[in-house]
Amino acid sequence: DAGITQSPRHKVTETGTPVTLRCHQTENHRYMYWYRQDPGHGLRLIHYSYGVKDTDKGEVSDGYSVSRSKTEDFLLTLESATSSQTSVYFCATTTASSYEQYFGPGTRLTVT
Amino acid sequence: AQTVTQSQPEMSVQEAETVTLSCTYDTSESDYYLFWYKQPPSRQMILVIRQEAYKQQNATENRFSVNFQKAAKSFSLKISDSQLGDAAMYFCAYSTGGSEKLVFGKGTKLTVNP
Repeated sequence: DAGITQSPRHKVTETGTPVTLRCHQTENHRYMYWYRQDPGHGLRLIHYSYGVKDTDKGEVSDGYSVSRSKTEDFLLTLESATSSQTSVYFCATTTASSYEQYFGPGTRLTVT
Repeated sequence: AQTVTQSQPEMSVQEAETVTLSCTYDTSESDYYLFWYKQPPSRQMILVIRQEAYKQQNATENRFSVNFQKAAKSFSLKISDSQLGDAAMYFCAYSTGGSEKLVFGKGTKLTVNP
C-alpha cells in the first residue's frame, strides 16, 4: 500500500461538462500514471508523469489532460466529458528502482 | 509495440484444485518484467507475482507460481489449492522496468466453485 487515494470514488456527470479526478500519494514517489479500465480492454495508459510539471501522453490520451504541480498530486481532467469516457480510472505510482506499480482504489465515472 | 494476450476470458476451478491461467506477450526487448495482478470485486489492483526476464528460475509466491517460457514468450500463472478468495479478475502485464508503463492483457475472470 503506497498511500494512494483517489477522489471522488464515484461520479456521475453529464455529457459536455468538465470533470477533474484527483490522485494523491503520500510516499513521495516520482512517477505517477493514469489508466482507464474498460471491459474487454484491460487497463490502458492515459497519461503519466515523471516529475513535477513533467507529463507525457499514453496510448489513449485524446480528450484528457493532466497536471502535476506537486509531487503528491496528479490531476486528470476531462475538458468536455463524453459517454465514451465512462470508465473506471486508476492512478498508480512507482519509483525508478521499484519495478512495481502501486495502484489507487479507482474512480468509477459515468457520463450520461 | 508490446502486446499482452490473455486468451481465456473466463476460467473456473473447484475449491482446493489447481488452475492455470495463460498469457502470451510480444516484445523485441531482451530485458523486461512480467506481472500477474489480481482484481477482486473491491476493484483494488493487487500484485500477485513478478518475474524478471533475465531470471531463468520461475517465480513462486506461496500457492502462486509461474511458468515462464522466454523463447515462446509465454507467462502462465498456476494457482494451487484454490480458495474462494482467489475468485477475481487476473491481469497479465508487461513492463521494461523501472518507471516504464505497464501494458496489460484484457484479463481472465476466475470463478472458484465450492
